[in-house]
Formats: sequence, structure tokens, C-alpha cells
Amino acid sequence: AQSVAQPEDQVNVAEGNPLTVKCTYSVSGNPYLFWYVQYPNRGLQFLLKYITGDNLVKGSYGFEAEFNKSQTSFHLKKPSALVSDSALYFCAVTPPGGNTPLVFGKGTRLSVIA
Amino acid sequence: GAVVSQHPSWVICKSGTSVKIECRSLDFQATTMFWYRQFPKQSLMLMATSNEGSKATYEQGVEKDKFLINHASLTLSTLTVTSAHPEDSSFYICSARETGFNQPQHFGDGTRLSIL
Repeated sequence: AQSVAQPEDQVNVAEGNPLTVKCTYSVSGNPYLFWYVQYPNRGLQFLLKYITGDNLVKGSYGFEAEFNKSQTSFHLKKPSALVSDSALYFCAVTPPGGNTPLVFGKGTRLSVIA
Repeated sequence: GAVVSQHPSWVICKSGTSVKIECRSLDFQATTMFWYRQFPKQSLMLMATSNEGSKATYEQGVEKDKFLINHASLTLSTLTVTSAHPEDSSFYICSARETGFNQPQHFGDGTRLSIL
């Protein structure tokens, strides 16, 4: 069965500094990996996905993520954090193909401090 | 981009009431929709997978008679919480996946259900 681990409950970073939100996964076969962001009392917004191809994936709002097969990781990154990036971030995985629902990590709360 | 509309966004009602939540894909067709439940400061828990024109597939531990799901068209799925009780209070989020390979799931804004 597939699973996702987000080892950090909370990440704090100063505005303007680079940020990293960590994610590791376990899945049979080649994974489909996703990052979503959730603001208070809202649903999840899609940020980016990795299906195949270039290991560095660029997404919305200046975010990017790097797929590392040997480390089974898919860390979310942004070169310069904004206060408005403060939110709850979820990493998710699904095995290839079909309509299998996403399996989510527990989430990481990002706080960007001015 | 793909938009999923969920309604209502907030419901407060008395114990024993049945509550219906609607989930619509506005600009795409969704053969499959998903219903999640989220407790405070926790991740999303998949409740059921809803396929258009067929019965929903419920996750282990989710009462199908308590949480009725109907997916009557390619753009609409509904979740009805029957005879709701305070322990059913939660944040419910629907999701829809565009038809086609490798498509991401898109999420509604959620429904906060409070049972008094």
C-alpha cells in the first residue's frame, strides 16, 4: 500500500529566505506525486505534480519540487518565501493509472515570519 | 483551471437532522469524485469514492447508511449525512478528477458541519 510521510509538523522561515517542506513516499511502481496547499477553512489547491520526465517540477506561486527516486523524496521548495505563503501543505501520492484516490501526508504547517 | 464548487460552506443544525452537501465540477466532467473528512489539525481521511452511475465505494469504517453518496451525473455528487449527531461534526471536502490520464484531483472549498 502507498503512504506518504511529512516529517515536520511545522516549518518556520523568515520572509525572503528559501523554504523547504519535506516529503517522502512509499508506493509500488513509479509514483505520481502531488503537492497541495490549504488555507484556513478552505479546500485544497493544487500546486504541482510529478508524473514523469524532469525531476525538477515547477508549479504555481513560484513553488517547485524535486523528485528523488533513490531517496524516495519529493520535497517542496521556494527560493524566497512570502508571508502569504503561510498555510498548510500536503504531499500526496497515487500509483500510476486508473482512478485511485490520492493518499495524503499528515500535512506541514508553514509559517513565514516578516 | 478546473473548478469544483461545494455547497453549502457552513451548516449548523440540530441533532437528528439530515444534511445534504453538493459537489459540482463546473468546467469539466468528472467520472469519479471523492469525499474526504478532515478533523482539526489533521490530514484528509478518504470516506468514499463516488463513480457516476454506480454505487459508491466506501472506505473501511465508514458507515454507508450514515453517509449516503449519490453521483447522478458527470458534474454532480452529493453526500447526505443522515440523522446527524455531534460526533459527525467535521470539515467535509469533496474532490473531482478530470477524465483522462494523469489528471490531478481538484478540491471544493469544503463544508464545515456543526451538529448541536
